[in-house]
Amino acid sequence: KNEVEQSPQNLTAQEGEFITINCSYSVGISALHWLQQHPGGGIVSLFMLSSGKKKHGRLIATINIQEKHSSLHITASHPRDSAVYICAARIQGAQKLVFGQGTRLTINP
Amino acid sequence: DTAVSQTPKYLVTQMGNDKSIKCEQNLGHDTMYWYKQDSKKFLKIMFSYNNKELIINETVPNRFSPKSPDKAHLNLHINSLELGDSAVYFCASSLLGGGGLNYGYTFGSGTRLTVV
Repeated sequence: KNEVEQSPQNLTAQEGEFITINCSYSVGISALHWLQQHPGGGIVSLFMLSSGKKKHGRLIATINIQEKHSSLHITASHPRDSAVYICAARIQGAQKLVFGQGTRLTINP
Repeated sequence: DTAVSQTPKYLVTQMGNDKSIKCEQNLGHDTMYWYKQDSKKFLKIMFSYNNKELIINETVPNRFSPKSPDKAHLNLHINSLELGDSAVYFCASSLLGGGGLNYGYTFGSGTRLTVV
């Protein structure tokens, strides 16, 4: 079993819908990252969280350290949000990221 | 532009060849990484260097050898390429503050390696 699990693996929604992608991890972490990988392949770092909640535009990321769970929300989704979203845990005491398997999000107009 | 830049973007080569992928960052970061993304899009750490010193070396065949001439560069050399080495390789960098804090990662655009 992977140390970082994401759900769902694939998500298709209509433009305007509220999107939630979940990430659970089974190891001690110093931070959790949300990344976005566009169809062209480039990876962009969206958030780095160690507690609470962060917001950037229409994206919101939350983390619950006790439950070892994080969520990425997208409000008023748009076709340009279509991408693979990857959750990555920075292992406590180590400088490496362990990645979830990614969630492929498709937003239809 | 401040960025992490990788070259080449695409690399097609025959089995048995030796090839290198180069990575450079001009962000002033002190830590650089190589990640491999397989055909299922799963990312895994390969190596990490902090100030030219190897700090992470995951279970990777010793045909893969990273080289960091300075903290702005981390190159990946692969000997005797095999079909299974076909993947996308991402370079990344971060600033590792005092006490092991990390201020987030910046990724390169990836190098798609195809071994035929």
